[in-house]
Amino acid sequence: ETVMTQSPATLSVSPGERATLSCRASQSVGSNLAWYQQKPGQAPRLLISGASTRATGLPARFSGSGSGTEFTLTISSLQSEDFAVYYCQQYNNWPATFGQGTKVDIK
Amino acid sequence: EVQLLESGGGLVQPGGSLRLSCAASEFTFSSYAMTWVRQAPGKGLECVSTISGSGGTTYYADSVRGRFTISRDNSKNTLFLQMNSLRAEDTAVYYCAKDRRDGNPPYPYDYWGQGALVSVSS
Repeated sequence: ETVMTQSPATLSVSPGERATLSCRASQSVGSNLAWYQQKPGQAPRLLISGASTRATGLPARFSGSGSGTEFTLTISSLQSEDFAVYYCQQYNNWPATFGQGTKVDIK
Repeated sequence: EVQLLESGGGLVQPGGSLRLSCAASEFTFSSYAMTWVRQAPGKGLECVSTISGSGGTTYYADSVRGRFTISRDNSKNTLFLQMNSLRAEDTAVYYCAKDRRDGNPPYPYDYWGQGALVSVSS
């Protein structure tokens, strides 16, 4: 099983600032990496797949990068609706595995 | 708009059974693999089981293999999860999720239901 490790666990950011979230895989997953956003009481929402392809309608302030074992989700200018928990997920091999999440909260 | 609606959650004693259902609409159900993902209270996400579009191939996490059974009824656009020999550690919100495609999972999950809470306690 591929272990996904996210850092930091919590990221405190002011609105309008840039947020950079990291995700590391215990073995190469190629570009088979997705990012999800989850708000309290809601289901996760797919943001990015293929490491860098934004979901339909996702604002351009969200961007993903990386391949192999190191990945990054960047939110260029945080809006109020972006404060949430973000999970990375590898889908290179079964079972698909998620990181433990990064909570982005208001500084 | 794709809709996934889970039902069947509730409180069950350890060792008991429960069956979750997920009613799907607004997409060609049989053309996509489907997955159950769970989230224990205050914890992260865990893929529990995936089933191919035809229902002919299934995948299970080690933590549930032999106790849970995933199935689907493509004539009724419904996904199921039969959960037997439930344990306290199975307590979680169970989400039904649509895989991005069918074929050789896993895939990203592009639509999710609202979740069904399963509580295992005496």
